[in-house]
Amino acid sequence: EAGVAQSPRYKIIEKRQSVAFWCNPISGHATLYWYQQILGQGPKLLIQFQNNGVVDDSQLPKDRFSAERLKGVDSTLKIQPAKLEDSAVYLCASSLGAQGARTGELFFGEGSRLTVL
Amino acid sequence: AQKVTQAQTEISVVEKEDVTLDCVYETRDTTYYLFWYKQPPSGELVFLIRRNSFDEQNEISGRYSWNFQKSTSSFNFTITASQVVDSAVYFCALSELYSSASKIIFGSGTRLSIRP
Repeated sequence: EAGVAQSPRYKIIEKRQSVAFWCNPISGHATLYWYQQILGQGPKLLIQFQNNGVVDDSQLPKDRFSAERLKGVDSTLKIQPAKLEDSAVYLCASSLGAQGARTGELFFGEGSRLTVL
Repeated sequence: AQKVTQAQTEISVVEKEDVTLDCVYETRDTTYYLFWYKQPPSGELVFLIRRNSFDEQNEISGRYSWNFQKSTSSFNFTITASQVVDSAVYFCALSELYSSASKIIFGSGTRLSIRP
C-alpha cells in the first residue's frame, strides 16, 4: 500500500516569494492534515480536512497561508508571501476518518522542508 | 489548556544500554489519549503506542515499554538494550477523547542517538 506522498522534499526561497506544497494521502483516507514542524519543536496542526471540507483551521495564519482539497483527495498548501519564520518542515498526514485526530492513528508523509532566506 | 513537556532535548547512549525518555503532560480533561511517535531521519512520524486515561497498565512490546502514571501526569518510554536503529526523534503527544475540536498536541521531542 502506498504511503502519503509529498512534494517537493526541499524548497529554498527568498522572503516575500510564494511556495506551494502538494500532498497525496493514502487511498481511501477521508481526513487529511497539514502540520508545521519548526526545528526543535513538535508538529503543530495547521489545517484538517474531512473530504473536501475544512474541519479545523484555527492555527492557520490565514493572511499568508492557504490550503485546498478540491476533490477530496490530494491537497495543496500555499504560502504567499513567505516570511523568515515560515522556515520549517511541512508534514502532511492522513487518516481513515476524523477520529484519527483523537486516536492518533495518522499516517505521515516524509515532509517538505522549506528554507526562507 | 493541554501541554506536553519533554524536558530531555537530546540523549546519547552506547548501544545495548537501556534508556528512558520522559514525558509530562497537562490537561484539564479526565478523558484523554497519550501517544508516542518516532521520527527517523527520513522525516515521517511513525505511531508507536496509544494509551487512554482509564488504563494505567504498563505496556511492553519487545524492547519497548511504557510507564503511565496519572498521579504524576507522566508517560515515560523505555527502550531496553538499545540499538543503533533506535536513533530518532521521539515525540510524546496528547489528545482529548471527547472534545469537539480535538487535536493532537505534541511535545518538543527528544533526539535519541545510539552510538555503536
